Amino acid sequence: GIQVEQSPPDLILQEGANSTLRCNFSDSVNNLQWFHQNPWGQLINLFYIPSGTKQNGRLSATTVATERYSLLYISSSQTTDSGVYFCAVFSGSYQLTFGKGTKLSVIP
Amino acid sequence: NAGVTQTPKFRILKIGQSMTLQCAQDMNHNYMYWYRQDPGMGLKLIYYSVGAGITDKGEVPNGYNVSRSTTEDFPLRLELAAPSQTSVYFCASAGTGTSGNEQFFGPGTRLTVL
Repeated sequence: GIQVEQSPPDLILQEGANSTLRCNFSDSVNNLQWFHQNPWGQLINLFYIPSGTKQNGRLSATTVATERYSLLYISSSQTTDSGVYFCAVFSGSYQLTFGKGTKLSVIP
Repeated sequence: NAGVTQTPKFRILKIGQSMTLQCAQDMNHNYMYWYRQDPGMGLKLIYYSVGAGITDKGEVPNGYNVSRSTTEDFPLRLELAAPSQTSVYFCASAGTGTSGNEQFFGPGTRLTVL
């Protein structure tokens, strides 16, 4: 099946710093989603981005489907950005395949 | 819209007991899914449904059963609970249209089997 690798596995930022999270996948995909799992365990949809670039406030995402990767940018990080960021891909088999996530800690 | 709702939020089971995790969505989505998340890992698909009356196995179906009698509801049944089923369970749904098959998740059920 399709493999999804996220990097880095852990990231510690000072509040106000910027960061880039990466997601590589091993095969063509029909769908790619980024999620934020907050410290209470809730999964929050950030982006549905099979290709191209989207922005939502301080967050933006870019997927280059032909090169099999996606990037999530977080600018001016805040403590509320802490949690785990998951990339998940859908390759047409009804299943979203998740990466292991990037754990982000934003310190004041 | 409430989106995807799950009950209960927490549950402790003894080995060998059974229970049903409830999931409902009010977005008129055809597709519904059950995932489990083990500590420090991403989510793995247990079962999915593409519409009322149609279900199929995902990556880790052993020890679970599902049914889909209505569009709105997709309960997950655990028979003969085992410690290996200690996990957080997420239900999700997806529709069609401009967002394609974007999946939306419920708040999760934290299950402990002792």
